[in-house]
Amino acid sequence: SQTIHQWPATLVQPVGSPLSLECTVEGTSNPNLYWYRQAAGRGLQLLFYSVGIGQISSEVPQNLSASRPQDRQFILSSKKLLLSDSGFYLCAWSVPGRRSYYMNTEAFFGQGTRLTVV
Amino acid sequence: GQNIDQPTEMTATEGAIVQINCTYQTSGFNGLFWYQQHAGEAPTFLSYNVLDGLEEKGRFSSFLSRSKGYSYLLLKELQMKDSASYLCAVRDLSSGSARQLTFGSGTQLTVLP
Repeated sequence: SQTIHQWPATLVQPVGSPLSLECTVEGTSNPNLYWYRQAAGRGLQLLFYSVGIGQISSEVPQNLSASRPQDRQFILSSKKLLLSDSGFYLCAWSVPGRRSYYMNTEAFFGQGTRLTVV
Repeated sequence: GQNIDQPTEMTATEGAIVQINCTYQTSGFNGLFWYQQHAGEAPTFLSYNVLDGLEEKGRFSSFLSRSKGYSYLLLKELQMKDSASYLCAVRDLSSGSARQLTFGSGTQLTVLP
């Protein structure tokens, strides 16, 4: 079975410090990988997605970056955190490639990282 | 792009029925998902609709009307543990197969005793 691991669960970082959140998926190959951010009381905002190693697409301009050094590893980084970067960060994966119209290709989420920038 | 609207908050009583609505506008609609998210936790999948009609799964049902850009999640026999945020998400293939899901802001449901 497939599993997704995301760490750390909580993080408190000072403004201007770097950030590295890691996500790994097991039990599947070449998944689509996603980083979402959820501000308090808000929906999920897609930050980055990746269809393969080294292939990263950014959805919103920001001081965050993402990398995919291995097939099932997705990393979210920042060189200098801002107060506005605080939030709940979720990594997710979905079945890759073009899918049948009737196939349910839901996203499977990691447990999330609660980031507080102080 | 997509535009997804759902109520911010709803309150209902234990044992009652509640309907959470979601409207969307998208150019390449290819499915609508409902997720449940308890506070501080990751969203978990509840239901999926790609054709018009009602999908029933235990106490939860989800309805879709593609012509109206409308869906609802129906929760029956509410329990206290159903207190959570319910996220509507739409899959839009016009943006490419990888950019699959766009989420609404969620509806915070509070179940009262």
